[in-house]
Amino acid sequence: GESVGLHLPTLSVQEGDNSIINCAYSNSASDYFIWYKQESGKGPQFIIDIRSNMDKRQGQRVTVLLNKTVKHLSLQIAATQPGDSAVYFCAENRAGGGNKLTFGTGTQLKVEL
Amino acid sequence: DAGVIQSPRHEVTEMGQEVTLRCKPISGHNSLFWYRQTMMRGLELLIYFNNNVPIDDSGMPEDRFSAKMPNASFSTLKIQPSEPRDSAVYFCASKTLGYTEAFFGQGTRLTVV
Repeated sequence: GESVGLHLPTLSVQEGDNSIINCAYSNSASDYFIWYKQESGKGPQFIIDIRSNMDKRQGQRVTVLLNKTVKHLSLQIAATQPGDSAVYFCAENRAGGGNKLTFGTGTQLKVEL
Repeated sequence: DAGVIQSPRHEVTEMGQEVTLRCKPISGHNSLFWYRQTMMRGLELLIYFNNNVPIDDSGMPEDRFSAKMPNASFSTLKIQPSEPRDSAVYFCASKTLGYTEAFFGQGTRLTVV
């Protein structure tokens, strides 16, 4: 029979606009939440992390927000550029769980010129 | 450092054959992860090691899969016998315990025909 592929959510933005990528998590025991970027044909690459006792962290052009009440994580990218086109994954790191690092489904970001 | 090195980059094998994927982590890293990426299941954690010791292999799909880490600079993931449904990209990643940033290799694209 025909296999059904994983349908990645896709976010399309215009170059220069801000992007917001969302992620829902289920494990409240995670110590850190992390965002990774995966470009076509490459392995995932670390972008930014946030400790579970924080609600906001800023990096260069990126901001991560953590809402533990609703178990929601978001990545904001300012002034999105064509080089930002990739699949973005949220991940959880559980130090108490032996340092386990697990990934969510991913979101495809497409930057239109 | 050259980063995480995986070999081979591509592997095409016939169903029933044994396949061995190899990984050289970044020198000094003491945590190593094996992931499988498919359209159906996304990025799945198969097994991970801390200080060369397997910590959690609950993601290994079947007894056909096995992984070893004989020393701090080398790990293998073996599939015996291989099946078409094992076709995927297999990633190895390494990091330092206590840190969140994991570094991924370029992956091995496995095709079982």
